[in-house]
Amino acid sequence: DQQVKQNSPSLSVQEGRISILNCDYTNSMFDYFLWYKKYPAEGPTFLISISSIKDKNEDGRFTVFLNKSAKHLSLHIVPSQPGDSAVYFCAASSGNTGKLIFGQGTTLQVKP
Amino acid sequence: EPEVTQTPSHQVTQMGQEVILRCVPISNHLYFYWYRQILGQKVEFLVSFYNNEISEKSEIFDDQFSVERPDGSNFTLKIRSTKLEDSAMYFCAGQGPGGGYTFGSGTRLTVV
Repeated sequence: DQQVKQNSPSLSVQEGRISILNCDYTNSMFDYFLWYKKYPAEGPTFLISISSIKDKNEDGRFTVFLNKSAKHLSLHIVPSQPGDSAVYFCAASSGNTGKLIFGQGTTLQVKP
Repeated sequence: EPEVTQTPSHQVTQMGQEVILRCVPISNHLYFYWYRQILGQKVEFLVSFYNNEISEKSEIFDDQFSVERPDGSNFTLKIRSTKLEDSAMYFCAGQGPGGGYTFGSGTRLTVV
């Protein structure tokens, strides 16, 4: 039961360009969405979140867009830096207190 | 910046043995969680804990698993009789009053 899907297992971009990571969800009860970054042998690190009452949230180089009608969200990183190379997980929850349902992750490689 | 601390970082155990994974959450956190990630798979919710009791658990969290917060600080996950398929990274997470989620760096459990 894949309620949160990241259909691209990997993405490679050139340094300075935009990285766009995508995520789809099926459960219309989800109202809070988060993006996490993860390095090997470390726990997920919170990047940015968005509530379902918004369609965009921006924090520095990171912007998350939410399209509720399409049940789709995306993370934009611009400009991409080599240090951004990691696995990125999309996660969703019902309410901002509660379990997170994670996608499978997308491995981003930013080439110098 | 406050951290969620997990010990040990790596635990190797014989099949059938009991293991206890430990977590020290951030002091003002109210909600506590355990997640796991089997190698190559996505991060999965195990259990949530609030007000000294389990608030939600997944299908994975069967009778072999238990959680405790015995002294008001440490938050433990016990697996009574480990199986090979319990081998995974186990992540503790905490959530504060503002809703922010913080993950620990994880314990790698290897069952042999």
